[in-house]
Amino acid sequence: EPEVTQTPSHQVTQMGQEVILRCVPISNHLYFYWYRQILGQKVEFLVSFYNNEISEKSEIFDDQFSVERPDGSNFTLKIRSTKLEDSAMYFCASGGALNEQFFGPGTRLTVL
Amino acid sequence: SQQGEEDPQALSIQEGENATMNCSYKTSINNLQWYRQNSGRGLVHLILIRSNEREKHSGRLRVTLDTSKKSSSLLITASRAADTASYFCATAIIAGTALIFGKGTTLSVSS
Repeated sequence: EPEVTQTPSHQVTQMGQEVILRCVPISNHLYFYWYRQILGQKVEFLVSFYNNEISEKSEIFDDQFSVERPDGSNFTLKIRSTKLEDSAMYFCASGGALNEQFFGPGTRLTVL
Repeated sequence: SQQGEEDPQALSIQEGENATMNCSYKTSINNLQWYRQNSGRGLVHLILIRSNEREKHSGRLRVTLDTSKKSSSLLITASRAADTASYFCATAIIAGTALIFGKGTTLSVSS
């Protein structure tokens, strides 16, 4: 069964460093999303991407964040200058015509 | 703001019993989706129910939706120890847009 994959599974970085989180969505899906979950808290929406552009973003998704679909398969989230409060589990999701959103296993980002 | 809130926050049952979790939200929605999350792991999609549907089944799972009350329930029948996890509802105002998650119900099934 097709699934969303994410790399790396765990990323440790120093405050102020740039990180890129990678996702491979399900191949025939058209909608792509990033969410995050701070430890012990709700899953929060960051951004959605459709037709090669951002379709929706939350207040969390400020100028420090960017997304890209550099080729036909990958979908990336970049955080330019990480802060301590960016430490969280980051989930990529993809959705098809039936509007179900399937999530990847997540990347645990730890900012020191 | 649109928000899914699950009830109860925590539920402990014995294997073989049924588990019912409820979700309430505040605004009109296009669909509501239920997810399972094992500790520290990813979100597993369980069921999507659309606003024009009242009930859906998938194996031992039964989901209902009452749009007049802005609430949904997830019933797991004949629970197993492997069902131990957190369960979240998530709503979308428009199909394909951001999902808004609740805080989840932590289900513990003991054998």
